[in-house]
Amino acid sequence: GNSVTQMEGPVTLSEEAFLTINCTYTATGYPSLFWYVQYPGEGLQLLLKATKADDKGSNKGFEATYRKETTSFHLEKGSVQVSDSAVYFCALRIQGAQKLVFGQGTRLTINP
Amino acid sequence: EAQVTQNPRYLITVTGKKLTVTCSQNMNHEYMSWYRQDPGLGLRQIYYSMNVEVTDKGDVPEGYKVSRKEKRNFPLILESPSPNQTSLYFCASSFGDRTNIQYFGAGTRLSVL
Repeated sequence: GNSVTQMEGPVTLSEEAFLTINCTYTATGYPSLFWYVQYPGEGLQLLLKATKADDKGSNKGFEATYRKETTSFHLEKGSVQVSDSAVYFCALRIQGAQKLVFGQGTRLTINP
Repeated sequence: EAQVTQNPRYLITVTGKKLTVTCSQNMNHEYMSWYRQDPGLGLRQIYYSMNVEVTDKGDVPEGYKVSRKEKRNFPLILESPSPNQTSLYFCASSFGDRTNIQYFGAGTRLSVL
């Protein structure tokens, strides 16, 4: 079946540190890949996406590259801020379907 | 402002007492969906709707009902809630096209005692 696996959290970093949150997937066909962010008390917001192999999604200093050979979509940011503290979800959507399949989420805390 | 609105945001109820969580979107989206979020499990889809009067089961539909009488509204109904339905619920909507950027409501935290 289709599934998404994210690195276990929680993750705690100091401000200005480098961030990587790992995400790997299993899917039939050619999925689109997404990162969603959930700030405290809010719903999920789309952070970035990639629709085909080797695409790089980017937004707010975050980046992720669609790697078909390793079935991965790792989230990176060069210098995190306290305001990046949130829960991050990796997700996929199978071509032709509407449903999003989510990973379990990774809670990120950035300390000043 | 484009948004998905859920009500209520918080709800405490008792086993067996019917409840409805409302969801409304103002973006004229065809596709709407309900998810539940549980620790360590991410979000799992409960039901979805491709358009008015078209609904279908997601991955965890047991114990839930939905209806889609109007395009903007997609209520989630728990006819006889049980404690295992204690969770955080999200409604989402999108255009039914290949871009499928889903917009989420702020969530409803439900506790069933």
